[in-house]
Amino acid sequence: GAVVSQHPSRVICKSGTSVKIECRSLDFQATTMFWYRQFPKQSLMLMATSNEGSKATYEQGVEKDKFLINHASLTLSTLTVTSAHPEDSSFYICSARDTQPTKNIQYFGAGTRLSVL
Amino acid sequence: GIQVEQSPPDLILQEGANSTLRCNFSDSVNNLQWFHQNPWGQLINLFYIPSGTKQNGRLSATTVATERYSLLYISSSQTTDSGVYFCAVNTGKLIFGQGTTLQVKP
Repeated sequence: GAVVSQHPSRVICKSGTSVKIECRSLDFQATTMFWYRQFPKQSLMLMATSNEGSKATYEQGVEKDKFLINHASLTLSTLTVTSAHPEDSSFYICSARDTQPTKNIQYFGAGTRLSVL
Repeated sequence: GIQVEQSPPDLILQEGANSTLRCNFSDSVNNLQWFHQNPWGQLINLFYIPSGTKQNGRLSATTVATERYSLLYISSSQTTDSGVYFCAVNTGKLIFGQGTTLQVKP
């Protein structure tokens, strides 16, 4: 199956710093990538949809200035958590959708566990 | 928006037992995927199944789109099957159910 690489896998940072998470599709092109957030023992909540070459679409309640998304190429999307605070601590997961129209499947990265002290 | 409900929320099995997980959704969808999230958080694609039945080893899935539900069957369960099973429906974006947490005891 298709591979999505997410880096880093774990981040521990001080409150007030910014953290960048990368999501790469390794063996396919992805016009659209997605960013999810998951709290312990809960489901995945979609934060935003990232479209190559255009602005991301954020879900209701997600602060776009807090969670900056850039999708500069067909294989890379980044999520930057700006001025992180303890309440931003969570598990962030990206996914990528294959551009081939016959393959409407989303593939997921391994996730990034963010801990803000 | 569309509602996705999974049942049961928790399931404990003895190794070797069979189980059925259910996913109900409230509206028509483009497709449906089943995932297994392992203890490290990695989501593993199990099935892409907008309709019909598929099988992969000890796992199989059936989606009846007209009745808005999907079932995931696990046969001869193993301890490595433990984790959280999610169904997710695609309405242009994937909407996840709350998951079924499965524990398989040796």
